[in-house]
Amino acid sequence: AQSVSQHNHHVILSEAASLELGCNYSYGGTVNLFWYVQYPGQHLQLLLKYFSGDPLVKGIKGFEAEFIKSKFSFNLRKPSVQWSDTAEYFCATDSWGKLQFGAGTQVVVTP
Amino acid sequence: DAGVIQSPRHEVTEMGQEVTLRCKPISGHNSLFWYRQTMMRGLELLIYFNNNVPIDDSGMPEDRFSAKMPNASFSTLKIQPSEPRDSAVYFCASSYTVTGELFFGEGSRLTVL
Repeated sequence: AQSVSQHNHHVILSEAASLELGCNYSYGGTVNLFWYVQYPGQHLQLLLKYFSGDPLVKGIKGFEAEFIKSKFSFNLRKPSVQWSDTAEYFCATDSWGKLQFGAGTQVVVTP
Repeated sequence: DAGVIQSPRHEVTEMGQEVTLRCKPISGHNSLFWYRQTMMRGLELLIYFNNNVPIDDSGMPEDRFSAKMPNASFSTLKIQPSEPRDSAVYFCASSYTVTGELFFGEGSRLTVL
């Protein structure tokens, strides 16, 4: 079965700093990849997804992710974060119809 | 659309009691998922249904947990008897296809004393 690993459990950064969250998946075949965000006290929402095509995916709120097949990676990036980006971010991949989530990365943006 | 609707939002119960969590998926979605979120284990998939049929329940912790989907617009997750270690936020999610975007409900926060 596929698995997803996220490199960082906690990230603290200042407003306007750039953000990059690492995500690696285990399966070498065709994969569908997702990034979800969970704001404090809320449910998960989709940020972006990759099924095929352009490996650079644009999502909501200025986020993007790059699928690099050779590295089995799907890292999430944002050039300049805001305080409102404080949230937990989950990378996920589907495996036989099941969405497998990574452990999540808690991001705290300080004013 | 109102989105995925879960009830109750919060439940506090005593060990040994039966707990039933409810979920109404988005109309037209044919896949439904139950997840559990805890600090220790993160997000765990418990079970998912496709066209009301349970496809994979390998994530259900033990026999105390059961889930049903009697029709396309309703699902339940039952814990009987409940234990303190079952305390978690339980999320229901639905999607149009099995590999499509998941839409999550607000979650049911369960505390078992």
